[in-house]
Amino acid sequence: VQLLESGGGLVQPGGSLRLFCAASGFNFDNYAMTWVRQAPGKGLEWVSSTGNSGAVTYYADSVKGRFTISRDNSKNTLYLQMHSLRAEDTAVYYCAKAGSGWSHSDYWGQGTLVTVSS
Amino acid sequence: QSALTQPASVSGSPGQSITISCTGTSSDIGGHNYISWYQHHPDKAPKLLIFDVSSRPSGVSDRFFGSKFGNTASLTISGLQAEDEADYYCSSYTSSTTVVFGGGTKLTVL
Repeated sequence: VQLLESGGGLVQPGGSLRLFCAASGFNFDNYAMTWVRQAPGKGLEWVSSTGNSGAVTYYADSVKGRFTISRDNSKNTLYLQMHSLRAEDTAVYYCAKAGSGWSHSDYWGQGTLVTVSS
Repeated sequence: QSALTQPASVSGSPGQSITISCTGTSSDIGGHNYISWYQHHPDKAPKLLIFDVSSRPSGVSDRFFGSKFGNTASLTISGLQAEDEADYYCSSYTSSTTVVFGGGTKLTVL
């Protein structure tokens, strides 16, 4: 199993960014997927999850209405579209594959850093 | 959704056992058995140690043991080894159909 995140970078407050997670080594369309973030010096924070088809999505209150999780099973790719970014969204964003249930993740990527600053 | 409560740090000597607690509410830990534990070494990907309270993924050492009583989950690590030094996080499904993590516990192997 490999999960490779990309799309991170420096963005101004109020800006937008789209993260990508390229998955390989497993049947992507059989598993829910999740984004988790870690702000500098802080702990892990669950951001969003989506079911195996993308029809069902879940969000943390801190990002609801600003972030959108989606997936393209034909490309084995997970996305996180982020709008109205705030300084507190600065973090390493991890893509993770669900295990037997969507609420836990058995494989994680190395993460991509998002910095929101003027 | 407030973060689950974990001790900021624990320590132990090689060969000893330690336990990390994770306290929540009846809306998360106390309400079901979708509780997980992760090990996170700096600058590495987090690793799943325990899921569904006490199940271990294939390849995870049986030195790691998960349990739950009421609104508190626990991770016990026996036979401490130097490579166990890392940050440990609990997580739980919640009644709001979200996931919540604990604040993390730094384990120091003396």
